[in-house]
Amino acid sequence: DQQVKQNSPSLSVQEGRISILNCDYTNSMFDYFLWYKKYPAEGPTFLISISSIKDKNEDGRFTVFLNKSAKHLSLHIVPSQPGDSAVYFCAASANNDMRFGAGTRLTVKP
Amino acid sequence: DTGVSQDPRHKITKRGQNVTFRCDPISEHNRLYWYRQTLGQGPEFLTYFQNEAQLEKSRLLSDRFSAERPKGSFSTLEIQRTEQGDSAMYLCASSESGTGVNYGYTFGSGTRLTVV
Repeated sequence: DQQVKQNSPSLSVQEGRISILNCDYTNSMFDYFLWYKKYPAEGPTFLISISSIKDKNEDGRFTVFLNKSAKHLSLHIVPSQPGDSAVYFCAASANNDMRFGAGTRLTVKP
Repeated sequence: DTGVSQDPRHKITKRGQNVTFRCDPISEHNRLYWYRQTLGQGPEFLTYFQNEAQLEKSRLLSDRFSAERPKGSFSTLEIQRTEQGDSAMYLCASSESGTGVNYGYTFGSGTRLTVV
């Protein structure tokens, strides 16, 4: 059962523009949401998280937005840089049970 | 600390053979997780340990799979009588109690298993 869904397998943006990666979930019991970034031949690296009691968390160029009523979260990267090119996984957690989406491959073109 | 280490990085085995993977977590992390990732999918939870206690196992973990963390430090994942469907990337992650969800898990680079 796919409780966390990333419906866009890929996204391509121009350097300097905004990248918006989307994620939907079905389980209302999730209380933390996270984004991970993965380069080839490496494990996922934690990027940013948000608690279910918040609707926004910002860390430098990265901002995560949470819309609980829509069961939707998004990651904004501004400005996008070529080094941001990677696969981004959305994850959601309840009681130490963390579920991942299938990932979105972001390509930032110079 | 060099992060989470996994060994081997790659393993090719014949169907029916047994394989064992090792994970060395970050030393001060008392929680250790095993995930499996297949092509085009995100990591799928297999099992997790708090210290040496295995607290949760996924339904994905059939009776051919066994994981141990005997002294609460490194962990091993064994797959007996491997099948072609076991071919995947096996990821290990670790975290401190109570902070893993807020600050994310630290993943190793994974062991890629190919069953031929």
